[in-house]
Amino acid sequence: QKEVEQNSGPLSVPEGAIASLNCTYSDRGSQSFFWYRQYSGKSPELIMFIYSNGDKEDGRFTAQLNKASQYVSLLIRDSQPSDSATYLCAATLHASGGSYIPTFGRGTSLIVHP
Amino acid sequence: GAVVSQHPSWVICKSGTSVKIECRSLDFQATTMFWYRQFPKQSLMLMATSNEGSKATYEQGVEKDKFLINHASLTLSTLTVTSAHPEDSSFYICSARFNMNTEAFFGQGTRLTVV
Repeated sequence: QKEVEQNSGPLSVPEGAIASLNCTYSDRGSQSFFWYRQYSGKSPELIMFIYSNGDKEDGRFTAQLNKASQYVSLLIRDSQPSDSATYLCAATLHASGGSYIPTFGRGTSLIVHP
Repeated sequence: GAVVSQHPSWVICKSGTSVKIECRSLDFQATTMFWYRQFPKQSLMLMATSNEGSKATYEQGVEKDKFLINHASLTLSTLTVTSAHPEDSSFYICSARFNMNTEAFFGQGTRLTVV
């Protein structure tokens, strides 16, 4: 079964530190990878997407993709208490019929303590 | 990012009744919409994939006669929970995307409580 795996955490980091969130995926044919943030009781909101190997930076966030290792990560620099949330990794996995389905990991709970 | 609007945000209904949830892409044409369900402290579970103008593809274990999905236009998909029961109480979320490899944007979710 094609899957996206994440450590559920919680990952606890002090304010100002770098938070590192990791994700692996099973479908070597996956083309697109996404990180979403979800606050309790709310819908996920897109933080970043990445298609190519290497790093992609946007403000305090850096997404890293290694297709050979089937590994995606999200780094959050200068972590703030407001970053405390569940972070969902998603990959478009090839489904039967030729379509690509965004498939989510279980999410990693991040706690940034003052 | 693109805007996806979901309505209603929350609904309480009696057991045995039906509830319709709407998902609209406001500023782009969504060729594909997805419907997810999320129970407390659990991950998003894909229920079905809906392509405009065709029948929805349901995930294993999701009853297509109970969860009716209609994707009549490029900007609107609806999910109808028929004969709702308390175990259907959950957070239902739609997402929409323009094409196969673009990001999916989420509606704000609908919290359904069946009493």
